[in-house]
Amino acid sequence: EPEVTQTPSHQVTQMGQEVILRCVPISNHLYFYWYRQILGQKVEFLVSFYNNEISEKSEIFDDQFSVERPDGSNFTLKIRSTKLEDSAMYFCASREAGVDEQFFGPGTRLTVL
Amino acid sequence: AQTVTQSQPEMSVQEAETVTLSCTYDTSENNYYLFWYKQPPSRQMILVIRQEAYKQQNATENRFSVNFQKAAKSFSLKISDSQLGDTAMYFCALNWAHDNFNKFYFGSGTKLNVKP
Repeated sequence: EPEVTQTPSHQVTQMGQEVILRCVPISNHLYFYWYRQILGQKVEFLVSFYNNEISEKSEIFDDQFSVERPDGSNFTLKIRSTKLEDSAMYFCASREAGVDEQFFGPGTRLTVL
Repeated sequence: AQTVTQSQPEMSVQEAETVTLSCTYDTSENNYYLFWYKQPPSRQMILVIRQEAYKQQNATENRFSVNFQKAAKSFSLKISDSQLGDTAMYFCALNWAHDNFNKFYFGSGTKLNVKP
């Protein structure tokens, strides 16, 4: 069964460094999402992406964040200059048109030191 | 604003017994969907069950069923005949029917431990 995959599973970085989190959505899906979960808190929506552009973003998704679909398979989240409070689990999700179920990846645990 | 609340951070149940996980939500929308997702340890979230708000009948999927109380804005998940493989984090989530991009609003999760 097709799955959403994410790499790396765990990323450790120094404050101020740039990180890129990678996701490979399910191949026939058209809608893509990033969510994050700070330890002990709710899973929060960051951004949705459709037709090669951001369709919606939350207040969390400020200028330090960007998303890209550089080729036909990858979907990336870039954090330009990481802060301590960016430490969280980041989940990628995708869905096909006309279906509301989102399929989630296993997450990338980002630790900012 | 939309909020989803799961008031039980952690629960335990003996194998073969029944457990109910609570979820309450708040939304001003009338047409929305509710979901329960399961996240086993070190695995991705998978959909357990979904409910359309316009349907009065409670959704069921094998051992999993919901008690949807629209007026009370409550959406609890009942797991019957609990199995060791049900050990996981369970997230309640909501999205709007008219939102083309269908972002989810999640609760903080309930960690369920099924004991042998």
